[in-house]
Amino acid sequence: EDQVTQSPEALRLQEGESSSLNCSYTVSGLRGLFWYRQDPGKGPEFLFTLYSAGEEKEKERLKATLTKKESFLHITAPKPEDSATYLCAVQGGYKLTFGTGTQLKVEL
Amino acid sequence: EAGVAQSPRYKIIEKRQSVAFWCNPISGHATLYWYQQILGQGPKLLIQFQNNGVVDDSQLPKDRFSAERLKGVDSTLKIQPAKLEDSAVYLCASSFGGTSEDTQYFGPGTRLTVL
Repeated sequence: EDQVTQSPEALRLQEGESSSLNCSYTVSGLRGLFWYRQDPGKGPEFLFTLYSAGEEKEKERLKATLTKKESFLHITAPKPEDSATYLCAVQGGYKLTFGTGTQLKVEL
Repeated sequence: EAGVAQSPRYKIIEKRQSVAFWCNPISGHATLYWYQQILGQGPKLLIQFQNNGVVDDSQLPKDRFSAERLKGVDSTLKIQPAKLEDSAVYLCASSFGGTSEDTQYFGPGTRLTVL
């Protein structure tokens, strides 16, 4: 059974204080690793898909990386608007298996 | 491009009552998913449709949950009778083809409270 563990559960940063979120996974035959952002009261919003170890993708202040066992979401110089829950999911076969998310709060 | 639409956005019912949720996927998307997201957890897949057919419903509690996708477009998810533990956000998502390379796009969800 596919499993995803995200850490930390919650993270509080000052504006401009860079950090990383971790997603550890076990899956039989990784077809894709997905990062989503979820704001309160809204559905998950797609950020990135990574397919193979060594792959990296960037979008504004976010950078996602992938190894054979984990993925990192690096946040550089975050702003208050980056506050959200960040979800990681893996796909083995048809199904996406999600982690429980990291709740990020960026303060002024 | 319009996103995934869901209604209602909120629903409060008593236990043992029935409830139905509606989803309209992104135009042209063949695959539709229903997820359950309990507070503090990640979404859990309930059922996946490819056009009209069911691809995966292994985690759908079939004694009380049912779903259909008529004409390969809109879908409804029904709970009858509801239990307290069904309180959650029900998310609908769609993707173009349903293969591993396809991104799933989510709707805003329906927040269900069972009293």
